[in-house]
Amino acid sequence: EIVLTQSPGTLSLSPGERATLSCRASQSVSTNYLAWYQHKRGQAPRLLIYGASTRATGIPDRFSGSGTGTDFTLTISRVEPEDFAVYYCQQYGNSPNTFGQGTKLDIK
Amino acid sequence: VRLQESGPGLVKPSETLSLTCTVSGGSIDSYYWSWVRQPPGKRLEWIGFLSYNGNTRYNPSLKSRVTISGDTSKKQFSLKLRSVSGADTAVYYCARDLLGDYYFDSWGQGTLVTVSS
Repeated sequence: EIVLTQSPGTLSLSPGERATLSCRASQSVSTNYLAWYQHKRGQAPRLLIYGASTRATGIPDRFSGSGTGTDFTLTISRVEPEDFAVYYCQQYGNSPNTFGQGTKLDIK
Repeated sequence: VRLQESGPGLVKPSETLSLTCTVSGGSIDSYYWSWVRQPPGKRLEWIGFLSYNGNTRYNPSLKSRVTISGDTSKKQFSLKLRSVSGADTAVYYCARDLLGDYYFDSWGQGTLVTVSS
């Protein structure tokens, strides 16, 4: 199965700054089938991005996804206070689908 | 669509973990419906799905111990995990799966299940 490695483990930023989160796969992700989720403690995870770069319904345009093959990126153009959370990538191009270990975005 | 997990929060080793997910605001007669878990300090792990037509597929790592079933009249689907051990302690989530073993566009809040005597 494909192993996803996210970096950094923790990203400390101030509101208004740009966030860049990385997800690297142990082998090429078929058809760039990669998703990103936001997860706040005690809440349901929220789908942000699928197909590496397509925003899910209702997701603000400050969130963007990019990448292909084995290297993918989630970018938050200007971090808002409500964006501080844990972010996970997931590949679903190869069965079984698998997740990264997460990047925590916290307030600096 | 909203999903809500329910079931015992404590299960004894070697017994069967049973959870139910209730779906509101939509039908379970379409889409696929998955279970995902996250042990403490570990990454999320997909367990398996039930499709709208009753088919199932499970993660090979858990396949021998898992059964997922559904009750469309109650808009519920359920997870049974047999012969549990401490390694099965986790937060268990139910989620709507777009195409089966795919990405998940709606999730429940999760329920913590602890395996301990």
